[in-house]
Amino acid sequence: KQEVTQIPAALSVPEGENLVLNCSFTDSAIYNLQWFRQDPGKGLTSLLLIQSSQREQTSGRLNASLDKSSGRSTLYIAASQPGDSATYLCAVSGTASKLTFGTGTRLQVTL
Amino acid sequence: KAGVTQTPRYLIKTRGQQVTLSCSPISGHRSVSWYQQTPGQGLQFLFEYFSETQRNKGNFPGRFSGRQFSNSRSEMNVSTLELGDSALYLCASSVRTGELEQYFGPGTRLTVT
Repeated sequence: KQEVTQIPAALSVPEGENLVLNCSFTDSAIYNLQWFRQDPGKGLTSLLLIQSSQREQTSGRLNASLDKSSGRSTLYIAASQPGDSATYLCAVSGTASKLTFGTGTRLQVTL
Repeated sequence: KAGVTQTPRYLIKTRGQQVTLSCSPISGHRSVSWYQQTPGQGLQFLFEYFSETQRNKGNFPGRFSGRQFSNSRSEMNVSTLELGDSALYLCASSVRTGELEQYFGPGTRLTVT
């Protein structure tokens, strides 16, 4: 059974800092990995999707890497801003559309 | 293009009642998946529908059921509600089953008293 863990559970950083969020999964036979953002009480916004054959994806200040063999992914956020404050979730899919989610990292960027 | 819509956004029900939640996918998307999010269990997969057929099912009791209509809209039903069913229910749509990227709706917040 796939298990996804995210570290740290919560993180508070001052504006402007670069930061790294970690995601690990137990079964390396994944189809793809997605990073999502969730604002309080809201749905999920897809940030980056990495296919199993890819090593990384970039979008603006975000960069996500994937190491399938070690079961790890990182989300790098450059020059953090208060608007980046949210919960970040990683999710892997082993088959079809079923996503297994991590526990999330709650990020707060302070002024 | 309109995103995934879910109705109602908020719902309060009493234990023992049943509830039906609705999800309209993005136009042209034919796969709809449902997830339950609770503080204790996080986000868990309920089921996926594609072309009016259930393609995948999570580990939830039979009180949780769903269906999909010919226009790809999906409904989820929970019978005999329990306090533990209080959660944010999210649906996600994709072009087809097995599609890489899924787009999530804003969710329905269900409170069972």
